[in-house]
Amino acid sequence: QKEVEQNSGPLSVPEGAIASLNCTYSDRVSQSFFWYRQYSGKSPELIMSIYSNGDKEDGRFTAQLNKASQYVSLLIRDSQPSDSATYLCAVNIMIKAAGNKLTFGGGTRVLVKP
Amino acid sequence: DTAVSQTPKYLVTQMGNDKSIKCEQNLGHDTMYWYKQDSKKFLKIMFSYNNKELIINETVPNRFSPKSPDKAHLNLHINSLELGDSAVYFCASSQDLTSRSFDSPLHFGNGTRLTVT
Repeated sequence: QKEVEQNSGPLSVPEGAIASLNCTYSDRVSQSFFWYRQYSGKSPELIMSIYSNGDKEDGRFTAQLNKASQYVSLLIRDSQPSDSATYLCAVNIMIKAAGNKLTFGGGTRVLVKP
Repeated sequence: DTAVSQTPKYLVTQMGNDKSIKCEQNLGHDTMYWYKQDSKKFLKIMFSYNNKELIINETVPNRFSPKSPDKAHLNLHINSLELGDSAVYFCASSQDLTSRSFDSPLHFGNGTRLTVT
């Protein structure tokens, strides 16, 4: 079993609709969770971070975390063509007091069609 | 005012050669990383350094040798390059706080696309 799993997609979404991305992780001691967006040929850029169970909203993005189910999701409201990218789920485990091990899922490719 | 910069952006070389990739961050972060992203876009950690000390060393062939002369720099040297080393290598940094180490996302450089022929 992979440590962090995502559906590779592509997830095709009409412009203006909600894109829903899911991520599951295997390590129960995971402490923090991140969503990154990566455009083709570019580096990953941070969209959202979430540490506590529940929802966290930032603009058109909402991250949802359920530690009991080891599940984190990302909703993109009012999807725009510029949201077309690969979305990477990342799970953090602290190794030492000054170390982090951020493990990434394989990413979900999102295509927003005008 | 680039936060995390790595050079070169592209690197094309032949099997058996030795090459280096350099990385510098001006964010004042304590920890730096090397990640490898293969053709399937899977991003996997290779190494992390905290204040010049090696923290994480995943199962990477010992042909790969990171070097951190100071906490703002982390270079990657690769000996005897193989076809399977072709990938995009990302440098990253994070500010790790001893009291809240989980609150430190990664900031990535623009990547180095390595092609071994």
